[in-house]
Amino acid sequence: QKEVEQNSGPLSVPEGAIASLNCTYSDRGSQSFFWYRQYSGKSPELIMFIYSNGDKEDGRFTAQLNKASQYVSLLIRDSQPSDSATYLCAVTGSYIPTFGRGTSLIVHP
Amino acid sequence: DAGVTQSPTHLIKTRGQQVTLRCSPISGHKSVSWYQQVLGQGPQFIFQYYEKEERGRGNFPDRFSARQFPNYSSELNVNALLLGDSALYLCASSVFQGGGYEQYFGPGTRLTVT
Repeated sequence: QKEVEQNSGPLSVPEGAIASLNCTYSDRGSQSFFWYRQYSGKSPELIMFIYSNGDKEDGRFTAQLNKASQYVSLLIRDSQPSDSATYLCAVTGSYIPTFGRGTSLIVHP
Repeated sequence: DAGVTQSPTHLIKTRGQQVTLRCSPISGHKSVSWYQQVLGQGPQFIFQYYEKEERGRGNFPDRFSARQFPNYSSELNVNALLLGDSALYLCASSVFQGGGYEQYFGPGTRLTVT
């Protein structure tokens, strides 16, 4: 059973701070790692993907992958109230992703 | 380019009825996946189709079935609806690029079973 674990939160950070979201996975054969943002009542939106160990930056977002530790994280710099949402981690071994339960992020002014 | 489209947006059905949900992928995407999401959980994988062939099936009962058409659109059918089938049903289309399959979701169909 492939598992993806996320702390459900909520993670509360002040506006302008760095939000750090974490995800661990059980399948060592996993090859692709995705972060989705989901606003309440909406569908998930792909915001970051990473395939290799290390960091990948895109604007205010940085994804970090450590395959040896089976750990992937998402950093959001200069957090804004509009970043308040649930962040889903998805891990894929071949074609089919396994999703975590998501971490609720609240950015307060 | 248009994103993934799904219809209908909302649906209310009675226990025991059957429902068909529809999905059109992003142009150029040949793979379509279906997910069920209940409140507080991540999406649970139901089916994946690629080039009209089933490529994967999640842990759902045989009441759930799907198919993909030559134009890569897809339908999800659920028979003998139960109250527990009430959920957001998500369709996603995917394309292989940059080293992995990037998956993009449609707006979802909210199914309520009464």
